[in-house]
Order: sequence, then structure tokens, then C-alpha cells
Amino acid sequence: ETGVTQTPRHLVMGMTNKKSLKCEQHLGHNAMYWYKQSAKKPLELMFVYNFKEQTENNSVPSRFSPECPNSSHLFLHLHTLQPEDSALYLCASSHLFRTSGRISYEQYFGPGTRLTVT
Amino acid sequence: AQSVTQLGSHVSVSEGALVLLRCNYSSSVPPYLFWYVQYPNQGLQLLLKYTSAATLVKGINGFEAEFKKSETSFHLTKPSAHMSDAAEYFCAVRLTGFQKLVFGTGTRLLVSP
Repeated sequence: ETGVTQTPRHLVMGMTNKKSLKCEQHLGHNAMYWYKQSAKKPLELMFVYNFKEQTENNSVPSRFSPECPNSSHLFLHLHTLQPEDSALYLCASSHLFRTSGRISYEQYFGPGTRLTVT
Repeated sequence: AQSVTQLGSHVSVSEGALVLLRCNYSSSVPPYLFWYVQYPNQGLQLLLKYTSAATLVKGINGFEAEFKKSETSFHLTKPSAHMSDAAEYFCAVRLTGFQKLVFGTGTRLLVSP
């Protein structure tokens, strides 16, 4: 596998279900991101993890629970979602240089998980 | 706060015609600027980036963009459109020292034969 992978690619879940989205990056990066992409709206940054630590949560409802067990893996645990949570969820990664604090210029994205909440 | 504005949610061109997708940014300091492309049912792929090294940036698939500070613009162009260019294009900005990317709302490029 190369780049950033996401599973599953498609997910349909009821409002009472619990499911998880998985992201894995094979680029040696140490920063990972969750984005939500809804129709007619800009990409919304949800969470940022640097060196496995959450550094940003953009007022995301608690029904979305991220987990980053190591720098290569990122999960998004979902429970009691609402129909308006239906969207494409994108994972991305980039590189941080620990000693200098420099940030690599771009983020690399996975193919996304198309989530439908019924 | 930085932001980007993409003029036109849809742009239609004929195959072989010039492609011009507009992006204007708002930033109090020189930014890093990016164009990403998204094909149906796929994630975002980096087309090109401006990192202050050169104002004219060449990317993949024959695309290029020019950073114009006086106009606060970073428009994306391609001399001759191909059917395979049909996709959604996103402009994004990031400030030096900051990690967050701010995306525009996207422009869908339609290419007709």
C-alpha cells in the first residue's frame, strides 16, 4: 500500500449504530487530520493529531470520537449520528519536523469514506 | 484570518480550450497556496503549490498557476483542456508557521467534446 488509505470506502449506518472509520498513512508522516466534506460546503477540518497527540478539535460534536494509537493510524469512532452527518470523510497526513517545528508544505489525502446515516 | 475565494462554482470549457480557474486569497502575511483536484469518488490530489520560491508554478497534468501579490490571486490555468480534466478543483491557503489549510468552496470543471 502506498500513500494514505481509508477503510471502508462506503458506510451506511443507522442513527443508533456504532461504527469506526480507519485511516492509515504509509508516508512516514507524523501529523494526521480528519476532514468532513459535505455538498455545497468547504472542507471542514475536524481534528488534528501531531505525534499522536490531539492538537485541534474544531468544535466537533462528541458523537465523533477520534483515536490516534500511533503516527501511522487514525480512527474516527462514530455513535448515535444524525442524518446531517452524512458526508465524505477525508483523512490526510503531513510531516512535522520535531526539532525545528517546520511543517511540510502540503497535506496528502486519502480517498475518503462516503458515510450515509439513515 | 486567512481565506480563499473561488469565483464560479462551475466552469465549462470545450476540449482543447483554455482552462482558467480563479482563486483569490486574503492574508495579512505572505501565504503558502495550493491547488488540489478531486475526481469523482476520490480524495484530493495535490496539483501544485506556491511556497514563495517562484511566482509561476508548474504542476502535474499540464496545469500551472501564477502568484500575483498585487492582485492577491493564484489562478489556475491549462492551455488546452482534456476530457480527463473534468473534476472539482480546490484552492487552499496556509500561513507560514501554521498547520491549518483553509480551502475554498471548489470549482467544478466541465469539459465538453
